[in-house]
Amino acid sequence: SAVISQKPSRDICQRGTSLTIQCQVDSQVTMMFWYRQQPGQSLTLIATANQGSEATYESGFVIDKFPISRPNLTFSTLTVSNMSPEDSSIYLCSVERGELNTEAFFGQGTRLTVV
Amino acid sequence: AQTVTQSQPEMSVQEAETVTLSCTYDTSESDYYLFWYKQPPSRQMILVIRQEAYKQQNATENRFSVNFQKAAKSFSLKISDSQLGDAAMYFCAYGLNMRFGAGTRLTVKP
Repeated sequence: SAVISQKPSRDICQRGTSLTIQCQVDSQVTMMFWYRQQPGQSLTLIATANQGSEATYESGFVIDKFPISRPNLTFSTLTVSNMSPEDSSIYLCSVERGELNTEAFFGQGTRLTVV
Repeated sequence: AQTVTQSQPEMSVQEAETVTLSCTYDTSESDYYLFWYKQPPSRQMILVIRQEAYKQQNATENRFSVNFQKAAKSFSLKISDSQLGDAAMYFCAYGLNMRFGAGTRLTVKP
């Protein structure tokens, strides 16, 4: 398994500001993923973050709004920029682990409320 | 693009009984992974079971088993001897970069 520490666990932010969410893994992983889970909804992949390269964003998500850093193989950040109430969601990071990288493990998520 | 459909927004089961959660998916790939995740109110995503598409045998993990029908693109989860702690949202997911279904909220009645 993998131990994933995600910070902060929750935050309440003013609209127009930015929040950076951190994801720390207890061992090196190749790929890290960021998801958004809007209230009462399923998880939607925002982007895939590989170390040493630009993150790959899914349709509907752009780097200016959700810049991602991946400075090393154990750490990544997701920033939610210029927030609006529509950004209120749970944000989760996950990593692939296990034999042949066939299992995904998730952090506990960050509950973001924008007021 | 792959899509995952869970047609049961809510399900209910009596404690100790069996319940089956449905999932269908769409893909043009021949080799892939399918997953069931459980999300309790703590919001931690917990892997319940995993199926590799090239394996014909259905995966089993204790009280949890799947009915994987590759030709029909169906991947249902059966929970036997349901326990109160099984109450949660259950998400079906396709692939390692995780396309999730909409989820099924399972309630377990004592």
